[in-house]
Amino acid sequence: NAGVTQTPKFQVLKTGQSMTLQCAQDMNHNSMYWYRQDPGMGLRLIYYSASEGTTDKGEVPNGYNVSRLNKREFSLRLESAAPSQTSVYFCASTQQSGANQPQHFGDGTRLSIL
Amino acid sequence: DAKTTQPPSMDCAEGRAANLPCNHSTISGNEYVYWYRQIHSQGPQYIIHGLKNNETNEMASLIITEDRKSSTLILPHATLRDTAVYYCIVRVLSGNTPLVFGKGTRLSVIA
Repeated sequence: NAGVTQTPKFQVLKTGQSMTLQCAQDMNHNSMYWYRQDPGMGLRLIYYSASEGTTDKGEVPNGYNVSRLNKREFSLRLESAAPSQTSVYFCASTQQSGANQPQHFGDGTRLSIL
Repeated sequence: DAKTTQPPSMDCAEGRAANLPCNHSTISGNEYVYWYRQIHSQGPQYIIHGLKNNETNEMASLIITEDRKSSTLILPHATLRDTAVYYCIVRVLSGNTPLVFGKGTRLSVIA
């Protein structure tokens, strides 16, 4: 049971480098989400995709772009990484974006930017 | 979404029931109460959710007060593996509103 798979699990970047975080789900879910979690804090939403072909900004979208490549895959791109983007990034998916649907999370990508 | 208030930390003896409180005094009639937990270094895990009736599943029970202004998550027989941060979240019924995570309650289960 793969669920939500994130790659890579760990990454170190230099300031200014670009990178794409990958996320794929095998549950045929319609909605997908990207969150970041800083030390000692709860998760904050970066971007989400309610359905294939749509994307919307969350609470902290600046410095990021996303692509809903198909129903399974939702990628997060950092065009010019900054130390403030050092964080743990979680991808999640849910069947529908309505409230009565729990979200399923991946195990995260730990990103450090020097 | 309505805000929630949770104690920052709690301890529970192994084998005893863990009762985690959550206040959501400004909850609206169309908002569900969700509970997630996050074990160290892992992604959040869904536990249970409810609207106004008490709910039970294989992981936990959710008790929602009649006025819906507070709720309690109950882990009936806590084990060391239940040590985690527990998040109480309220969320509107419709639209694309995301989960809003606060700081949660850090539950430590002690042997």
